[in-house]
Amino acid sequence: NAGVTQTPKFRILKIGQSMTLQCTQDMNHNYMYWYRQDPGMGLKLIYYSVGAGITDKGEVPNGYNVSRSTTEDFPLRLELAAPSQTSVYFCASSSGQGIQPQHFGDGTRLSIL
Amino acid sequence: GESVGLHLPTLSVQEGDNSIINCAYSNSASDYFIWYKQESGKGPQFIIDIRSNMDKRQGQRVTVLLNKTVKHLSLQIAATQPGDSAVYFCAESAGTALIFGKGTTLSVSS
Repeated sequence: NAGVTQTPKFRILKIGQSMTLQCTQDMNHNYMYWYRQDPGMGLKLIYYSVGAGITDKGEVPNGYNVSRSTTEDFPLRLELAAPSQTSVYFCASSSGQGIQPQHFGDGTRLSIL
Repeated sequence: GESVGLHLPTLSVQEGDNSIINCAYSNSASDYFIWYKQESGKGPQFIIDIRSNMDKRQGQRVTVLLNKTVKHLSLQIAATQPGDSAVYFCAESAGTALIFGKGTTLSVSS
C-alpha cells in the first residue's frame, strides 16, 4: 500500500503566489490532518477533517484553506504566500480521532521568497 | 498553554547501549500518548503508543513508560543500532488532535 502520498515534494514560490499541496491516502481513513513543521520544532496542526465534507481549524489555520470532497483526498491551499509560510508540510490520516495513531506522508518542502 | 516537551534536545549513545528518551506533558486530561521517529527528509513514523489506563507497553526493542503522577513519558530503546539515529517526538492527545513536542535527536555511533 502507498499509505499517505503528498505532492509535490519540493516547491519554491514567490510572495503573493498561490498553490495547492496535494494529499491522498489509500487506507480508507476518515480522519485527515495537515501539519507544518518549522526547523527544530515539532509539528503544529493547521486543519483537520473527520470525513468528506467536514473540516475544522487547528492551531495555526491563518493563511490556509482546505477542502475534503472525497475520503481519499485532502488538499491544502495557500492563497497569498508569505515568507512566514516557509516550512515543511505534512499530511496525515488515521482511522479515528485522538486515540489512534496517525500515519504521515513524507512531506512537501515549501520555500517562499 | 498545554504542550508536550522533551527534556533533552540531543542524545548520543554507543551502538548496543540502551537509550532512554524522556518527555514531559502538561495536560492531565490527556489520555493517549504516542512516539514517532523521524528520519531526515521523511515524515514521522509511528513507533509505539500507550493509553492513560496503562503504565507500560512493550514493542519490538522499544518500551514506553507512562507516569501519570508526574506527567512523564519515556521511550526506551534496547540495544540501540545506527539505524535508530533520528529525531524522536512524543505527542499527546486529549481526544481532539495530537500535540507534539519539539523532538530529541538520537545519534548512535559505532
